[in-house]
Amino acid sequence: GAGVSQSPSNKVTEKGKDVELRCDPISGHTALYWYRQSLGQGLEFLIYFQGNSAPDKSGLPSDRFSAERTGGSVSTLTIQRTQQEDSAVYLCASSLAYRRAKNIQYFGAGTRLSVL
Amino acid sequence: AQKITQTQPGMFVQEKEAVTLDCTYDTSDQSYGLFWYKQPSSGEMIFLIYQGSYDEQNATEGRYSLNFQKARKSANLVISASQLGDSAMYFCAPRSGNYGQNFVFGPGTRLSVLP
Repeated sequence: GAGVSQSPSNKVTEKGKDVELRCDPISGHTALYWYRQSLGQGLEFLIYFQGNSAPDKSGLPSDRFSAERTGGSVSTLTIQRTQQEDSAVYLCASSLAYRRAKNIQYFGAGTRLSVL
Repeated sequence: AQKITQTQPGMFVQEKEAVTLDCTYDTSDQSYGLFWYKQPSSGEMIFLIYQGSYDEQNATEGRYSLNFQKARKSANLVISASQLGDSAMYFCAPRSGNYGQNFVFGPGTRLSVLP
């Protein structure tokens, strides 16, 4: 597609359930990022994928959070045993990844997760 | 971790006036990029403008320009001739690393343009 696509756009779940959020990056973009944005707050980095390199997981808040990227394209962010504090908008971005280049990140519309 | 400061949590500007949104950061890298993004109430993040740390001139993109002062680690966004559609959150985001993979967003400034 022309832009970064995220699904679902909204997800309501019960505390303790697992959820999967999907991100389809711009074709040809080798770098993919996940961020979390709580209401009225800035963006919190979660995880970064670049090509076939090991992902940078330094931003994941707990071991309940995990992400994978299959075939260097689509990524899935999984939250296990959801808690109310996980409620937020989860944003995905992708970019080219040329050395020392501008590498603008382009964002999807986000998934709004509500944990009841 | 790198700290980014946007000192104005909220700002108001009259339509057609110019406005400056502040951003300072504390990177220790000599080579980095500085991005500004806009987030309207609809939620999408929109890239506005980029400044490379070694660029000799301040970046401009249409009505957007940067007042980049490398020694002060400051990159203020100037919006000229404000429009109602400029009402949004604005985030400053320095990036570093060989592939720009170290990306940190500031807390944002909410701009409201008054008719």
